[in-house]
Amino acid sequence: DTAVSQTPKYLVTQMGNDKSIKCEQNLGHDTMYWYKQDSKKFLKIMFSYNNKELIINETVPNRFSPKSPDKAHLNLHINSLELGDSAVYFCASRRTGEETQYFGPGTRLLVL
Amino acid sequence: AQTVTQSQPEMSVQEAETVTLSCTYDTSESDYYLFWYKQPPSRQMILVIRQEAYKQQNATENRFSVNFQKAAKSFSLKISDSQLGDAAMYFCAYRRSGGGSQGNLIFGKGTKLSVKP
Repeated sequence: DTAVSQTPKYLVTQMGNDKSIKCEQNLGHDTMYWYKQDSKKFLKIMFSYNNKELIINETVPNRFSPKSPDKAHLNLHINSLELGDSAVYFCASRRTGEETQYFGPGTRLLVL
Repeated sequence: AQTVTQSQPEMSVQEAETVTLSCTYDTSESDYYLFWYKQPPSRQMILVIRQEAYKQQNATENRFSVNFQKAAKSFSLKISDSQLGDAAMYFCAYRRSGGGSQGNLIFGKGTKLSVKP
């Protein structure tokens, strides 16, 4: 009965590779988010999707491309991975009209 | 732009004692929401408590309560009867009212809370 799930939980890869992180929520929410938590634990918004449409795109390199095939899924694809991409990536979701965001367990990405 | 400041990088409390974590924020909005999230070593982000800016009454959730001072833009978290399981990073977060680009959370840098037995 997991509410927001992410796969994989851990991802170790080499510089220059392309990788994807998947997020799914079974809460019936219509807005989903990607946050990045850096090595100093600072959390910052990357993307937000509402009903499969991008509504926030912070100053994120275009190597990062979110894709939302439907309201329940928001995937994050990263091209040409760099050392600085090492972080924990959190997916979150929310229902319009409600204020609480529910977070996934996070994906720890390590780029070597 | 809105900002959230947590001035205490680390705090420590004795088990069963009370501790208060500080948070201040900067906004020109009158309608918004404030949150405290807990992140234990498991990494999971867990909502602790939520406050609507239009409500004067401070939110409480069991041993957790807030002191919301809207004029001072202050939102502190009080943990009573601290337990070992309360040890975690605590993040204060702000969200503007409304959807769209206002929907994302803006986080403080966090306070690491240690609980001593």
